[in-house]
Amino acid sequence: GAGVSQSPSNKVTEKGKDVELRCDPISGHTALYWYRQSLGQGLEFLIYFQGNSAPDKSGLPSDRFSAERTGGSVSTLTIQRTQQEDSAVYLCASSALGETYEQYFGPGTRLTVT
Amino acid sequence: KNEVEQSPQNLTAQEGEFITINCSYSVGISALHWLQQHPGGGIVSLFMLSSGKKKHGRLIATINIQEKHSSLHITASHPRDSAVYICAATANFGNEKLTFGTGTRLTIIP
Repeated sequence: GAGVSQSPSNKVTEKGKDVELRCDPISGHTALYWYRQSLGQGLEFLIYFQGNSAPDKSGLPSDRFSAERTGGSVSTLTIQRTQQEDSAVYLCASSALGETYEQYFGPGTRLTVT
Repeated sequence: KNEVEQSPQNLTAQEGEFITINCSYSVGISALHWLQQHPGGGIVSLFMLSSGKKKHGRLIATINIQEKHSSLHITASHPRDSAVYICAATANFGNEKLTFGTGTRLTIIP
C-alpha cells in the first residue's frame, strides 16, 4: 500500500509569511509524528498525535507553530510569521501501535525562508 | 549532554569491512530504533529493539539495557551501505516520540 506522503515537497517563502505543510499517514495508523531536521542540528521532535488523545506538543519551538489532525488521518503543520531559523526539512511519520511501534517516515517538506 | 549519543560521527571504510556504530543513552527507554538516511533525505527504519539482538540480512543490531548501549553492525559492507545511520530512543510505551542521536555518516569505498 501507499506510504506516508507529504506536500509540498519543497516550499520557499518570504520571512513573515504563514505556511502550511501537509501529511497523509498510512491508512489505519493511529499515531502521527512531526519532526524537524535542521542543518547542523539533527532531528528533533515537534508534536505527536495518538488517536483521540490530546496531542503531545512538547517539542513545538514557539507559539508560531501549531498542528492539527482531522478525522484521525491527515495532519497539517502550520508555521505563522515564518523566520529564517524555521528553514529545515519537516518530516512526518506514522505508526500503528502494536508490537513493533515501527515508525514509517514520509519524504519530508524542505522549507526555505528567505 | 544529549540524551542519545552516537559514535563515531563519521566513518570511512573499505568495501567488505565489518562496520560497528555505537549508541549510548542516558535515560530509561522503552525501545531503541536504528534508522538509515540516504542522500536525498528519505529515512527508513532498520530496527526497533528493546532487548537482545536482531538481524536482517547483513545488518545486526544489539542492545544492552543494563549498560544503556546499543550497536549496529554491518557485515561485508558495500558502497550501497553508504548513508547516515541514526539511533533514536523512545521513552514511554504509549508515547513513541523519538529522541535522536546526531547520526553517523558512513562511507564505504569500493
